Amino acid sequence: QKEVEQNSGPLSVPEGAIASLNCTYSDRVSQSFFWYRQYSGKSPELIMSIYSNGDKEDGRFTAQLNKASQYVSLLIRDSQPSDSATYLCAVNVLGGATNKLIFGTGTLLAVQP
Amino acid sequence: SAVISQKPSRDICQRGTSLTIQCQVDSQVTMMFWYRQQPGQSLTLIATANQGSEATYESGFVIDKFPISRPNLTFSTLTVSNMSPEDSSIYLCSVEVIETGANVLTFGAGSRLTVL
Repeated sequence: QKEVEQNSGPLSVPEGAIASLNCTYSDRVSQSFFWYRQYSGKSPELIMSIYSNGDKEDGRFTAQLNKASQYVSLLIRDSQPSDSATYLCAVNVLGGATNKLIFGTGTLLAVQP
Repeated sequence: SAVISQKPSRDICQRGTSLTIQCQVDSQVTMMFWYRQQPGQSLTLIATANQGSEATYESGFVIDKFPISRPNLTFSTLTVSNMSPEDSSIYLCSVEVIETGANVLTFGAGSRLTVL
């Protein structure tokens, strides 16, 4: 089983709709969870982090975490064409003496104008 | 947050040669990492660059193929040795910084290598 799993998409939503991106992880002791956005040809940029069960909102973005189900999601409200990108879920994993970040394969989001 | 400069930004290399990628950070950081992103794929951690000691490599990556240096808290290099077309990838330097009280990972712009 992969450590971090995402649906590769593409996920296509119309402009103004809510985009829902999902991620599951295998390491039960993980404590930190991140969503990165990566535009084509660019490096990933952090858009949300979440550490506690429940919802965390930042502007049009809401991250949701359910540790019991080992599930983290990202909702994008009022989706815009500029939101079209690959969204990478990343989970902190303890490896030896070092915490490291493991990435999912990413979900390609396409917002249709 | 930290500003990361990577070079080269891109290069075209011949099979069998080696290339060294440099990563410079504008502030001292404890944790530096090297990732690889193959075409159409996600990021795979190659190794953690440790200052003053040998890098810690992930499964599937070895020091002979990917030697790493970390001479101080602001600089690291990754060498891709004896390259083959399968090494064509984007190589990303990243550092762990503290933002709003939490440790987060920030990435450089990446180095896109094409091996012929």
